[in-house]
Amino acid sequence: KAGVTQTPRYLIKTRGQQVTLSCSPISGHRSVSWYQQTPGQGLQFLFEYFSETQRNKGNFPGRFSGRQFSNSRSEMNVSTLELGDSALYLCASSPQGMDQPQHFGDGTRLSIL
Amino acid sequence: EDQVTQSPEALRLQEGESSSLNCSYTVSGLRGLFWYRQDPGKGPEFLFTLYSAGEEKEKERLKATLTKKESFLHITAPKPEDSATYLCAVQDTGTYKYIFGTGTRLKVLA
Repeated sequence: KAGVTQTPRYLIKTRGQQVTLSCSPISGHRSVSWYQQTPGQGLQFLFEYFSETQRNKGNFPGRFSGRQFSNSRSEMNVSTLELGDSALYLCASSPQGMDQPQHFGDGTRLSIL
Repeated sequence: EDQVTQSPEALRLQEGESSSLNCSYTVSGLRGLFWYRQDPGKGPEFLFTLYSAGEEKEKERLKATLTKKESFLHITAPKPEDSATYLCAVQDTGTYKYIFGTGTRLKVLA
């Protein structure tokens, strides 16, 4: 069974640009969650999508947004990039929700110059 | 305020030297507590879920326990391949917020 796939693995952008990251969950999983991981703050929850609807949201500014498609694939968008957005962005999936074991991808490493 | 604190931040063990990692949490209500293992350059890998005080789960050399205020991850006779960062996360029943601790970096020496 294929795991969670995130693309691209690495990305370099400059301040002010926007970026879109992609996540393909494990087949049959309907819940997709996104996290930001930095050395200083650790892993922080961004949002969760289930059946194309945002069901749960962390404490990030509106520049961070996401969506989920009918096949459960999800995208995350960050607009007006700031230096502090440099991080590893992780996606996780589970069958029904975050109270179940989540399966993580290996992340997208985003660097802002 | 919801909070998850893990200790110690880092731990070095000799192969075969058993120890425990701690995860203390403060939430209005516990929906679940989760343990993950993360290797460098990889996403976290699920280990255990605990839902209520008194619950215990075991897998190979690892055993997780839960009380009303904290969880322990016991590592029995560790091997070098157990070296990783161990992360604890909790989900709050009221807010549904999902909060990770900052992890314990474990190094097991041969």
